[in-house]
Amino acid sequence: KAGVTQTPRYLIKTRGQQVTLSCSPISGHRSVSWYQQTPGQGLQFLFEYFSETQRNKGNFPGRFSGRQFSNSRSEMNVSTLELGDSALYLCASSLTGAMDTQYFGPGTRLTVL
Amino acid sequence: QKEVEQDPGPLSVPEGAIVSLNCTYSNSAFQYFMWYRQYSRKGPELLMYTYSSGNKEDGRFTAQVDKSSKYISLFIRDSQPSDSATYLCAMSAGSNYQLIWGAGTKLIIKP
Repeated sequence: KAGVTQTPRYLIKTRGQQVTLSCSPISGHRSVSWYQQTPGQGLQFLFEYFSETQRNKGNFPGRFSGRQFSNSRSEMNVSTLELGDSALYLCASSLTGAMDTQYFGPGTRLTVL
Repeated sequence: QKEVEQDPGPLSVPEGAIVSLNCTYSNSAFQYFMWYRQYSRKGPELLMYTYSSGNKEDGRFTAQVDKSSKYISLFIRDSQPSDSATYLCAMSAGSNYQLIWGAGTKLIIKP
């Protein structure tokens, strides 16, 4: 069974630009969650999508948005990038949500210059 | 103050030692407790999942929850160099709530 894949793995952008990250969940998983991971802060929850609907949202500004497609693939967009957005962005898929085992992808390392 | 506190380490121990990793939390509504392991350049993977108080054992790993003290622990017996990783605790009040994560403890097992 193929795992969670994330593209691209590495990304370098400059302040003010926007970026789109992609996540393909494990086949059959309908829940996709996005996290931001920075040293010392751990994983900060961004949002969760289930069957194309945003079901839960963390405390991030509106510059962070996402969507989920009918095949459960998900994208995350960050507009007007700031230096503080530099982080590892992780995507996790599960059958039903946070109480299920979450399977993580390897992450996208975003660097904002 | 963060809802979940976890010492970032690094914690360095010799091979074969018993390792104790801990998290404290402030929200008494948390009922679901998890430990994830994250190797370098990889995403986290679930190690242990416990509900409410008590102990749970799986091979060399034991998870312990003390809700009265708002304290959870992960014990690793007979530690191996392959256990070197970052260990993250996560917890939730229920299915309608998001997971809240600790910052992770970096563990180094010296051969």
